[in-house]
Amino acid sequence: AQTVTQSQPEMSVQEAETVTLSCTYDTSENNYYLFWYKQPPSRQMILVIRQEAYKQQNATENRFSVNFQKAAKSFSLKISDSQLGDTAMYFCAFMKHLGANSKLTFGKGITLSVRP
Amino acid sequence: EPEVTQTPSHQVTQMGQEVILRCVPISNHLYFYWYRQILGQKVEFLVSFYNNEISEKSEIFDDQFSVERPDGSNFTLKIRSTKLEDSAMYFCASRRQGGVSGNTIYFGEGSWLTVV
Repeated sequence: AQTVTQSQPEMSVQEAETVTLSCTYDTSENNYYLFWYKQPPSRQMILVIRQEAYKQQNATENRFSVNFQKAAKSFSLKISDSQLGDTAMYFCAFMKHLGANSKLTFGKGITLSVRP
Repeated sequence: EPEVTQTPSHQVTQMGQEVILRCVPISNHLYFYWYRQILGQKVEFLVSFYNNEISEKSEIFDDQFSVERPDGSNFTLKIRSTKLEDSAMYFCASRRQGGVSGNTIYFGEGSWLTVV
């Protein structure tokens, strides 16, 4: 079974600074998908960024980028130029394939607070 | 941009009552999911649904739960006899088959269920 570990329960960052959220996972699969989802106080689950394991290049979406280390099974999220609207809970998630019984396995999440 | 929509956004029900949570997945998506999140905890997989049948379910998804796709657009989760511990946010999600975004699961805004 796959497991996703987010060991930091919460972090705080000053507005405009950079913060990195950590995530590790455990799997015996070779091809899989990794995601970061954001959950603001409204509790909606919003996709931030995704990474295909077969791609060596780290994914980037505007101020959000990942550091994907396949051998180490590490998938961290870097938020640059942090904004107040980035305050939310962030979940790392794993999906092992695209078959009919594909599903996301989530970590426990990390609460990020951006200070003005 | 197409969205997964869920109703109701919040429901309060008495213990032992039946509850139906409704979802309209994104129109060209073929894989459907229900997840739940107990307050302050991580997001947990309940069930996945494809080709008009359950493809996988978790141990949480016991005989009290059922899912149905009664027509071409709706996807429902029924809890037959609610318990206090069923109080949670329930997320519906969907995924298309193939294509650029075929590896991404999109979530609705959630239905907050309170059992009293």
